Amino acid sequence: QQPVQSPQAVILREGEDAVINCSSSKALYSVHWYRQKHGEAPVFLMILLKGGEQKGHEKISASFNEKKQQSSLYLTASQLSYSGTYFCGTVYMDSNYQLIWGAGTKLIIKP
Amino acid sequence: SAVISQKPSRDICQRGTSLTIQCQVDSQVTMMFWYRQQPGQSLTLIATANQGSEATYESGFVIDKFPISRPNLTFSTLTVSNMSPEDSSIYLCSASGTSGGSSYEQYFGPGTRLTVT
Repeated sequence: QQPVQSPQAVILREGEDAVINCSSSKALYSVHWYRQKHGEAPVFLMILLKGGEQKGHEKISASFNEKKQQSSLYLTASQLSYSGTYFCGTVYMDSNYQLIWGAGTKLIIKP
Repeated sequence: SAVISQKPSRDICQRGTSLTIQCQVDSQVTMMFWYRQQPGQSLTLIATANQGSEATYESGFVIDKFPISRPNLTFSTLTVSNMSPEDSSIYLCSASGTSGGSSYEQYFGPGTRLTVT
């Protein structure tokens, strides 16, 4: 069952902030975040394991709300290089650690 | 981390033929995966390539259509057999379980863009 990402797309001006959400109806073991630029392969950003961790990567951070089975990716003071499609991947508690990918959120940063 | 290369980077093939895609990792990895991605869409897992045993296929994908080999811990191949235009897509190889890294991070190859005419 695919996790639900929102919004589907977002357009920002350089320097603005954005939040991308990833929610699941099933109990999560971990949430993974990737960014894919047009014509390129997905690039790993971070993993959050169950336990409500928050992690950071440059000006990109994420949280994992175990009660809500939801993760949020925070992009602060966005840069042009942040443009791309962001995917969350979820590993469910009852799975064999297989990654289930969300539909993606397209982020466009304008100067 | 791991650096992954794929060959070919793109190909145009005629229907009914087969294409084998190679995936090479610069270090030994525990897991290797094959995905398909349509432009603008999410990734769909085809199968997990198991070293020394048969691949594990996802629903909707079968071994006769997508035979996979993984002879060692750094190399895998995916064959797309008896191709039809519906097989036109980007095929991505990924790997996880690198030495010194997390077991869960997946690193991706650059992809193979396949067009079937």
